[in-house]
Amino acid sequence: DTGVSQDPRHKITKRGQNVTFRCDPISEHNRLYWYRQTLGQGPEFLTYFQNEAQLEKSRLLSDRFSAERPKGSFSTLEIQRTEQGDSAMYLCASSQQGENTEAFFGQGTRLTVV
Amino acid sequence: AQSVTQLDSHVSVSEGTPVLLRCNYSSSYSPSLFWYVQHPNKGLQLLLKYTSAATLVKGINGFEAEFKKSETSFHLTKPSAHMSDAAEYFCVVSPLWGGGSEKLVFGKGTKLTVNP
Repeated sequence: DTGVSQDPRHKITKRGQNVTFRCDPISEHNRLYWYRQTLGQGPEFLTYFQNEAQLEKSRLLSDRFSAERPKGSFSTLEIQRTEQGDSAMYLCASSQQGENTEAFFGQGTRLTVV
Repeated sequence: AQSVTQLDSHVSVSEGTPVLLRCNYSSSYSPSLFWYVQHPNKGLQLLLKYTSAATLVKGINGFEAEFKKSETSFHLTKPSAHMSDAAEYFCVVSPLWGGGSEKLVFGKGTKLTVNP
């Protein structure tokens, strides 16, 4: 399968714990995006990489959140000291650089903080 | 800044009848506009996109949308609904040129129900 894959698909964690999610983009895509989707809402932009460079971060990305893409391939999103408000679906997408490019989304990681 | 407003949070139609999902956009730059569909437990899938070529855009599964600059609208239509069309639909905007951002801005979504 050559789509965007995310791991894990589901994560239940206790408040205060750290969690890390992984995203593997489509191999030839140099752009990678993270979004968060809460119940009843559309996805909200968190951050975006072009190759290994993190080019934009949303104000939603508090200092407890960090994203990396060390070799310009897979990316990780870490949430430290999780809070109940962090419960959401975390979506990863990738695209090629250039005009009229389509973003392909993974199926997401559903985080539940208890 | 870019934003989209999906005018209906829920739309219910009967199978075989037309579908209309409404979207208005706001953009400081020439926009790219998209419609994505999200079926339960599946990833977001692109239905169609407008990128300043033809104003009437045809997508997958018989959907189409018309870009109307004067009305700042990008409504999604389908002549005849099928049961498999039941899903959440998102209108999305992104700057085509400039804006300094590559992010997609999503609307809140419209849940489409198709009744037999």
